[in-house]
Amino acid sequence: QTVVTQEPSLTVSPGGTVTLTCASSTGAVTSSYCPNWFQQKPGRAPRPLIYGINSRHSWTPARFSGSLLGGKAALTLSGVQPEDEADYYCLLLSGGGWVFGGGTKLTVL
Amino acid sequence: EVQLVESGGGLVQPGGSLRLSCAASGFTFGSYWMTWVRQAPGKGLEWVANIKPDGSEQQYVDSVKARFTISRDNAKNSLSLQMNSLRAEDTAVYYCGRFGYDSGTSHIDFWGQGTLVTVSS
Repeated sequence: QTVVTQEPSLTVSPGGTVTLTCASSTGAVTSSYCPNWFQQKPGRAPRPLIYGINSRHSWTPARFSGSLLGGKAALTLSGVQPEDEADYYCLLLSGGGWVFGGGTKLTVL
Repeated sequence: EVQLVESGGGLVQPGGSLRLSCAASGFTFGSYWMTWVRQAPGKGLEWVANIKPDGSEQQYVDSVKARFTISRDNAKNSLSLQMNSLRAEDTAVYYCGRFGYDSGTSHIDFWGQGTLVTVSS
């Protein structure tokens, strides 16, 4: 079964920039993997952020952007705000199903 | 406004069964793939199952195949997950989600608030 790997944790300063990545055990991530990115805060349902590499939902702030980076899907936060502290998950289409990454805990400090 | 409201969670003994429901509103339910995603306490998200708009195709994660069945009633705007032979490791919050499709890609664009399933004796 496909394994999707994310950084377990990252720390960023307010106003800074950070990039989270999402790798697939099956090889380089491409648009055919339909990457999705979600933000989740404690006790809340996940909130969709980015899909299809770099498409934002209507509610997604412009400081969130998606890309492909070195064979991985990537989520970049520019001008990080304190409220961006959360868990971030990627989701990839693979092998007839979908697989979430293990999540990245982002600390804003 | 798109709304997804799960129900049916609770405490069940190992080996038991439970049926989750998701009531959908605010969109043409029969036009969308739907999904169940779960999250064990303190753990990450796990995709569980998908179902095609007309119900003719289902997909499952390996760990629930032959135990869980996803189904839908488009006339009632309702999604279900029948869970049999439940195990302790099925303990999780179960979320219902809608798969949108645009720009040539699929994505979960709306989530319910989740319902907690606890499998314990």
